[in-house]
Amino acid sequence: DAGVTQSPTHLIKTRGQQVTLRCSPKSGHDTVSWYQQALGQGPQFIFQYYEEEERQRGNFPDRFSGHQFPNYSSELNVNALLLGDSALYLCASSWGIYTSNYGYTFGSGTRLTVV
Amino acid sequence: DQQVKQNSPSLSVQEGRISILNCDYTNSMFDYFLWYKKYPAEGPTFLISISSIKDKNEDGRFTVFLNKSAKHLSLHIVPSQPGDSAVYFCAASANTGNQFYFGTGTSLTVIP
Repeated sequence: DAGVTQSPTHLIKTRGQQVTLRCSPKSGHDTVSWYQQALGQGPQFIFQYYEEEERQRGNFPDRFSGHQFPNYSSELNVNALLLGDSALYLCASSWGIYTSNYGYTFGSGTRLTVV
Repeated sequence: DQQVKQNSPSLSVQEGRISILNCDYTNSMFDYFLWYKKYPAEGPTFLISISSIKDKNEDGRFTVFLNKSAKHLSLHIVPSQPGDSAVYFCAASANTGNQFYFGTGTSLTVIP
């Protein structure tokens, strides 16, 4: 049973460019949440997608956008990259908007470096 | 504004002893708490949870204690094993949704 898969695993982009990160949720999960983890910090909530709509959003600018497809997979897009966007981006899946007692299932993340 | 805090960046414990990891929060609306474990190059893995209606939840070697009045929770690992060496994150959510707030993590090293 595949868990959450994210691609690519590593990415280097230039300041001002745009990037797209991809996530396939765990089988049976229909909700995808994205988190940003900067070095030495805990994960910070970006947004959550359920039924192909953004349901919740954290304190991130509009440069961060996303999409969920009918097969529940999701993309995170970041425009006009800044050096401060360099981080590990984690995708987490769950069943339904409200997690069960078992929380999310996280992927291994995409390490984005902006130079 | 860090609503969930883990004030100990690291902890070292001898194998077989108890590991106690602490977490404090500021938002009284938080009603659901989780602990995650993270190995290098892997995503966080769910460990144990507790809702605000309880003050203790136990799962094998892992026990989480919640003190709502102090806005404090702790994770006890007994006995500690070398395989427990990882970064542990505390996370909390409020009844308004499914957004979790994470602490900055505590790196646990269990010495054989």
